[in-house]
Amino acid sequence: AQSVAQPEDQVNVAEGNPLTVKCTYSVSGNPYLFWYVQYPNRGLQFLLKYITGDNLVKGSYGFEAEFNKSQTSFHLKKPSALVSDSALYFCALLNSGYSTLTFGKGTMLLVSP
Amino acid sequence: NAGVMQNPRHLVRRRGQEARLRCSPMKGHSHVYWYRQLPEEGLKFMVYLQKENIIDESGMPKERFSAEFPKEGPSILRIQQVVRGDSAAYFCASSPKAGLSGNTIYFGEGSWLTVV
Repeated sequence: AQSVAQPEDQVNVAEGNPLTVKCTYSVSGNPYLFWYVQYPNRGLQFLLKYITGDNLVKGSYGFEAEFNKSQTSFHLKKPSALVSDSALYFCALLNSGYSTLTFGKGTMLLVSP
Repeated sequence: NAGVMQNPRHLVRRRGQEARLRCSPMKGHSHVYWYRQLPEEGLKFMVYLQKENIIDESGMPKERFSAEFPKEGPSILRIQQVVRGDSAAYFCASSPKAGLSGNTIYFGEGSWLTVV
């Protein structure tokens, strides 16, 4: 069975500093990975995905993610955090049928001014 | 904005009543998914549908929950005889196709169900 782990419930960072939100996965075949962001009482917005190719994936709002096969990780990064980046971030793994997603529990990112 | 449309956004039901949640997928999308987000938990897959077909309902509770995606009209998630534990945010998502190539799953704004 496949799974996704987000080891941190919350990440705190000061505005202007780089941020990293961690994600590790477990899957028997090739991993297909996604990051979504959820603002309070809103739906999930797609940020980026890794299917194949370059290990560094660039996405929306200045976010990027680094795929590391040996460490089974797909960490979300941004060089300079904004207060408006404060939200709940979900890492997800596309299942072997290529249709449904397995989500991590989410990481709350809080960016302080 | 031709995004995934869900309604109602907020719904309050008394225990024992029925809840119906509606979802219109993005234009051109024929695959619909329902996920549930319980308090303090991540999103859990419930059901995957195409027009007039349930493809995967492995995440649906065996009783009281049903889903459909008719030939015409929105997808409906129906919860009969609601209980307090059904209080959650229910998210609909859609994609243009199954399979991996270019597939991105887009989510709606969610329907927040509160059972009192």
